[in-house]
Amino acid sequence: NAGVMQNPRHLVRRRGQEARLRCSPMKGHSHVYWYRQLPEEGLKFMVYLQKENIIDESGMPKERFSAEFPKEGPSILRIQQVVRGDSAAYFCASSPPRGRGNTEAFFGQGTRLTVV
Amino acid sequence: RKEVEQDPGPFNVPEGATVAFNCTYSNSASQSFFWYRQDCRKEPKLLMSVYSSGNEDGRFTAQLNRASQYISLLIRDSKLSDSATYLCVVNMANSGGYQKVTFGTGTKLQVIP
Repeated sequence: NAGVMQNPRHLVRRRGQEARLRCSPMKGHSHVYWYRQLPEEGLKFMVYLQKENIIDESGMPKERFSAEFPKEGPSILRIQQVVRGDSAAYFCASSPPRGRGNTEAFFGQGTRLTVV
Repeated sequence: RKEVEQDPGPFNVPEGATVAFNCTYSNSASQSFFWYRQDCRKEPKLLMSVYSSGNEDGRFTAQLNRASQYISLLIRDSKLSDSATYLCVVNMANSGGYQKVTFGTGTKLQVIP
């Protein structure tokens, strides 16, 4: 049973380009969370999704950022017109549906975005 | 008030010392609790779940106080390899009935030789 898979592991973008980060949750997990971590800082919640549904996007910047978790395929975090301040590690975590065993979240290894 | 609050530290302790971290949470309806560990530039990994009766795993002891809405982690006989950031995690139901995993910002521990 593969863990949470994120790709790419490292992504370099020039200012103004788009960044697409992918996250495939663990098998059987239907909830996905995205977090951003700036250097020397803690995890900052961005968005919580269920299949085809955004549950909580209170941590998402109002502009340029969007997330989806389609019925088929991975969850995507999309950053349009990237700026240097978007450089960070982006972690995805998944958890099983409520009520199905332990509800701890498992993390992917993260995507390190560098904007040059 | 933050949903999950931790002292960011850093806690600098000598090898062999005992160190304790606390974490408070705001939602009294929270249902499950965990401690995670994050090493530098790595993803967070589950350290242990926290149960109402308290639980122990080797040198690590976790406790939950529902009345005061806090959880704690005690590390005995600290090792250099314990140096990391420790994240408090709470599953709480939101207004839509979904259970949301909420992380504290972490407490940094540095064990010194």
